[in-house]
Amino acid sequence: EDKVVQSPLSLVVHEGDTVTLNCSYEVTNFRSLLWYKQEKKAPTFLFMLTSSGIEKKSGRLSSILDKKELFSILNITATQTGDSAVYLCAVEGNNFNKFYFGSGTKLNVKP
Amino acid sequence: NAGVTQTPKFQVLKTGQSMTLQCAQDMNHEYMSWYRQDPGMGLRLIHYSVGAGITDQGEVPNGYNVSRSTTEDFPLRLLSAAPSQTSVYFCASSYDRQSYEQYFGPGTRLTVT
Repeated sequence: EDKVVQSPLSLVVHEGDTVTLNCSYEVTNFRSLLWYKQEKKAPTFLFMLTSSGIEKKSGRLSSILDKKELFSILNITATQTGDSAVYLCAVEGNNFNKFYFGSGTKLNVKP
Repeated sequence: NAGVTQTPKFQVLKTGQSMTLQCAQDMNHEYMSWYRQDPGMGLRLIHYSVGAGITDQGEVPNGYNVSRSTTEDFPLRLLSAAPSQTSVYFCASSYDRQSYEQYFGPGTRLTVT
């Protein structure tokens, strides 16, 4: 059975801290892994990863994929209160556009 | 561009009623999907489509029907609502296989009593 597991489930840090969020997966015929940020409403896209070892970076956020060990991490450096959200990981498996989501990591950044 | 739009934003149904959640996009995206999100859980795929006239089942398709007669619209039909279908429903679209970024609609909060 295809599944995506994120850890930790929740995290509380203070502004300026660095956090690492984890996503492990077991999906038939892996195609891609996506990270999303979800605040009050709909998820917003952060990164798409398809190749191992290539870091994607956007400002203070970065992500990398390890296809051998079947996981990805999302790093956020110098966290800000605006980073508080649920971070979702999704993996595309056997069929195009068929995504499996993890349950998310809820990040709370305190001032 | 309006992006991905969903209607209604909120809906209350009685058990056994049927209804259709509407989803439309104006970005000429081929790929569209319906997800439900329950408290403490990520999104679960209900149905998806890779183009007009083509649909397929996701993880939790039971109790839902879809059709894709045009590129723009992807309605989700609840055949006979049940309390277990109380959830927030998101529609998403993306352009093609090389551009996996999915754009999500604002969601529909459905309560079945």
